[in-house]
Amino acid sequence: EVQLVESGGGLIQPGRSLRLSCRGSGFTFGEYAMSWFRQAPGKGLEWVATIRSYPFGGTTEYAASVKVRFTMSRDDSKSIAYLQMNNLETEDTAMYHCGRHLPYNRHDAFDVWGQGTLVTVSS
Amino acid sequence: EIVLTQSPGTVSLSPGERATLSCRASENIKSNSLAWYQQKPGQSPRLLIYGASNRAIGIPDRFSGSGSGTDFTLTISRLDSEDFAVYHCQQYGTSPITFGQGTRLEIK
Repeated sequence: EVQLVESGGGLIQPGRSLRLSCRGSGFTFGEYAMSWFRQAPGKGLEWVATIRSYPFGGTTEYAASVKVRFTMSRDDSKSIAYLQMNNLETEDTAMYHCGRHLPYNRHDAFDVWGQGTLVTVSS
Repeated sequence: EIVLTQSPGTVSLSPGERATLSCRASENIKSNSLAWYQQKPGQSPRLLIYGASNRAIGIPDRFSGSGSGTDFTLTISRLDSEDFAVYHCQQYGTSPITFGQGTRLEIK
């Protein structure tokens, strides 16, 4: 079964750091671009970051709201994508999901999603 | 960034009826790079349509997408009880990727 499972969320104080993980299974992880999204309670979806597969350069892109604070990386040997979140703000409170891009880098739509990991930033 | 506006915000329909959901972009979406997702409470989004009109694997043919430029539509030809959910549109033609605010489809 093709699956993504996120972990690493929790309650964290403003200004602190947290690293989220997204583990894939049931597919060749290294062949796919991956992204992180977030959804604040009662709000819409927000794209956070993307990392391309290494055959397509392994490049990263970020939303403006997180660009200087968050870093996305991947370890294809472990089938894991990471989101390192530094200097967290209360506005970062949300459910964080990872998503798999459609194959071949032609469409940046997301056909597999994880169930999410909740990040709460509060003092 | 491209702003996507979905309408209506909420629509109430009965099973068997036809649903027409709109997604309007603040500027042209390149190459019809628009996707639709279904999301039920407590669940992650499910890809329905990509490239404006291509059904994702496993999606019933009662779901169809159309449109180009700035105006896109998701049509559900005959509503099934399992179709009542929130629907999101997403554009990926221009960075950053953006989503609409969602349309809630509820049972009348």
